[in-house]
Amino acid sequence: KNQVEQSPQSLIILEGKNCTLQCNYTVSPFSNLRWYKQDTGRGPVSLTIMTFSENTKSNGRYTATLDADTKQSSLHITASQLSDSASYICVVSPSGGSYIPTFGRGTSLIVHP
Amino acid sequence: DVKVTQSSRYLVKRTGEKVFLECVQDMDHENMFWYRQDPGLGLRLIYFSYDVKMKEKGDIPEGYSVSREKKERFSLILESASTNQTSMYLCASSLIPTDNEQFFGPGTRLTVL
Repeated sequence: KNQVEQSPQSLIILEGKNCTLQCNYTVSPFSNLRWYKQDTGRGPVSLTIMTFSENTKSNGRYTATLDADTKQSSLHITASQLSDSASYICVVSPSGGSYIPTFGRGTSLIVHP
Repeated sequence: DVKVTQSSRYLVKRTGEKVFLECVQDMDHENMFWYRQDPGLGLRLIYFSYDVKMKEKGDIPEGYSVSREKKERFSLILESASTNQTSMYLCASSLIPTDNEQFFGPGTRLTVL
């Protein structure tokens, strides 16, 4: 069964600090991996997408990495801000076009002033 | 601007009531999805639809049904609400194929008493 595991489950950091969130997956064959950000009381919004051939992709202070050989991804947040407080969800899609993505359970990040 | 709207942000119903949750997207997307989100469990797929009048069961369809009479509208129906259906319900839409980015609505927090 396709699985996506995220760690840590929750994280508390001080404003201005960096942090890294992890995602391990067993989805195969692999199409792409997305990181979504979900603010409290809102739906998730896509931050980045990575395909098999991509190792790293940035979106402002967010940098995602992908190691397709070990089936691991990370999301690095630089110089955190209070607005980064949210849940971050890793979503992996299998290839084939008609298959459904598998969602991780998310990492809850709290940034304290 | 991409938009997915859900009929209610908060809903309180009694056990045994029939509940309708409605979702509308204005992006002409073929795919539409219904998820429920519970603390510690992440998003779980209830049903999805890849075309008008077409539907497929997700991971947890028991106790739910869906209707898609028009491309832009996807309804989730709880035939006889139970307390274990108290949850946050999120609707999403995407272009075909299903590994495309999903655009989420704001969610409906349903409480069944």
